[in-house]
Amino acid sequence: EVQLVESGGGLVQPGGSLRLSCAASGFTFSSYLMHWVRQAPGKGLVWVSRINSDGSSTSYADSVKGRFTISRDNAKNTLYLQMNSLRADDTAVYYCARVYGLAAAWFGYWGQGTLVTVSS
Amino acid sequence: DSVMTQSPDSLTVSLGESATINCKSSQNVLYSSNNKNYLAWYQQKPGQPPKLLIYWASTRESGVPDRFSGSGSGTDFTLTISSLQAEDVAIYYCQQYYDTPPTFGQGTKVEIK
Repeated sequence: EVQLVESGGGLVQPGGSLRLSCAASGFTFSSYLMHWVRQAPGKGLVWVSRINSDGSSTSYADSVKGRFTISRDNAKNTLYLQMNSLRADDTAVYYCARVYGLAAAWFGYWGQGTLVTVSS
Repeated sequence: DSVMTQSPDSLTVSLGESATINCKSSQNVLYSSNNKNYLAWYQQKPGQPPKLLIYWASTRESGVPDRFSGSGSGTDFTLTISSLQAEDVAIYYCQQYYDTPPTFGQGTKVEIK
């Protein structure tokens, strides 16, 4: 069974940093492209970033480019999101998501999410 | 970026009645080389992550009840719940995966009348 478990969220002051983790199990993690998607309280889903299977290629939403860094450790089956220079509008539940299949780009599996609150 | 616009924003339907949600993409998501529409639908219940319902615009994910169906092509798509059940109360999102960034509609909230 595919499982994705996020951690690392919490309360941080504006301008601060956090690193989110997503522990994956139940599949060959190193074979799959992975994403981060966020959802502000009471709002819709917004894609944040993606990384290819070996970590050699990344992509970011304009709103986080230059502040967030996605990475992965395939030996540890873990996806990361380093978030720097955090702003109030980064407040959201952050989900990690796996693509459905090796050649299937939609989001097939989601974690339960971790809440990031940016506030003084 | 492709903008996905859903209508309506909310929908109140009686149990057993049909619910229809529309999704319009600002760009064509039909890939001509394989004749597939790069569009998915998700259901999100309160406090839960989204759940995949449909991909390729009309292919139902395994385990999804057959009262859920997707249709459309190019830029205009529809999710239909043919006989609304109490457990279908949720927010529904369309999403294009034709290009990067993947983008979602703003969501449609479905409630019981």
